[in-house]
Amino acid sequence: SQQGEEDPQALSIQEGENATMNCSYKTSINNLQWYRQNSGRGLVHLILIRSNEREKHSGRLRVTLDTSKKSSSLLITASRAADTASYFCATEFGSNYQLIWGAGTKLIIKP
Amino acid sequence: ETGVTQSPTHLIKTRGQQVTLRCSSQSGHNTVSWYQQALGQGPQFIFQYYREEENGRGNFPPRFSGLQFPNYSSELNVNALELDDSALYLCASSFDARSYEQYFGPGTRLTVT
Repeated sequence: SQQGEEDPQALSIQEGENATMNCSYKTSINNLQWYRQNSGRGLVHLILIRSNEREKHSGRLRVTLDTSKKSSSLLITASRAADTASYFCATEFGSNYQLIWGAGTKLIIKP
Repeated sequence: ETGVTQSPTHLIKTRGQQVTLRCSSQSGHNTVSWYQQALGQGPQFIFQYYREEENGRGNFPPRFSGLQFPNYSSELNVNALELDDSALYLCASSFDARSYEQYFGPGTRLTVT
């Protein structure tokens, strides 16, 4: 079974609006990472947040982590058509450093 | 562009056959991880190689095997192909065995008929 679960499964918003997607996980983690994937191709690393951090920013991206609720959220502000993609959270836990992935949120930005 | 390349882009094989997928990592990256991604799903970790040794394995049978070479290239071999092996296979390279930031290739789309 997958460690992370993204919510919602799909999200469609107007260009310029903010997009928020959530990730929940089951076990204690070392860090949580968000990736973007365009059209079923390679994934691009967006941001990493460590278990002792609560919030990180990168450009138009804001990630929060609530370890008590075992959840994270990714906020994309002022969305653009180029943000249309699938977004995945991946968690690293334990000592073997492998990433466990959720099923992703498909984001569509309407012009 | 991540600097990670994979070949071939697409591949069609018949059930029972064997396949080899190739990946060329970024220069200086001594770790490569392989993932299987079924349609509409997130990637599933197959295994990781660190300095040419297997460094961790996901829940995949032994017919999935790999090699990593000193020149930053690697291979994923799958024997006795099954229909459920149809998926996008992704390799990702990183500076070391920690997964802090992985650089993904574009993937190989494998179809088993």
